[in-house]
Amino acid sequence: DAKTTQPNSMESNEEEPVHLPCNHSTISGTDYIHWYRQLPSQGPEYVIHGLTSNVNNRMASLAIAEDRKSSTLILHRATLRDAAVYYCILRDVTGAQKLVFGQGTRLTINP
Amino acid sequence: EADIYQTPRYLVIGTGKKITLECSQTMGHDKMYWYQQDPGMELHLIHYSYGVNSTEKGDLSSESTVSRIRTEHFPLTLESARPSHTSQYLCASSEFGGGYNEQFFGPGTRLTVL
Repeated sequence: DAKTTQPNSMESNEEEPVHLPCNHSTISGTDYIHWYRQLPSQGPEYVIHGLTSNVNNRMASLAIAEDRKSSTLILHRATLRDAAVYYCILRDVTGAQKLVFGQGTRLTINP
Repeated sequence: EADIYQTPRYLVIGTGKKITLECSQTMGHDKMYWYQQDPGMELHLIHYSYGVNSTEKGDLSSESTVSRIRTEHFPLTLESARPSHTSQYLCASSEFGGGYNEQFFGPGTRLTVL
């Protein structure tokens, strides 16, 4: 499974944008880039995914580098409820299409 | 809103007991997964299923077993619980298809074996 590298932790202030980076230099052409987050004492929840183009949804935006070797999850206006561990995951289109979780980035939001 | 349920949410049990962790989803998803997560650590896939009568072992070896007799139900069983089985167990499901499908997670079962 292709691996991703994320900072262990990040901190931001409420109502400010947050940019969470992810490196995935060994990504293959068929890997989708997925982001999940896990709030305290809960199961992970889907945030966003993309293949090549930048993506927006109601939760966040995903900016994907042209060579696809890195991506950035953007929370446009962080709230206290966005404090969570954010996982960047490469998911292949074949087989089990399983999610391989790394350590993720623990995001702290200051009031 | 994800419709995937796990029971019990919390379970404290003695060594040697047989336990079954329940997972059900009402979304008609073919694929279901079990992950194990120790406190503060990453999730590891321990079992998955492509559909009825399909079960596969995941990346992390586990003494647990699973069954998939009905699409909506994917229970996990430990024949003889041990303290080393203490962990959080998370169930997930997704539609059958490409790598773009999201996985929906249940709230988890936190298991403590004394």
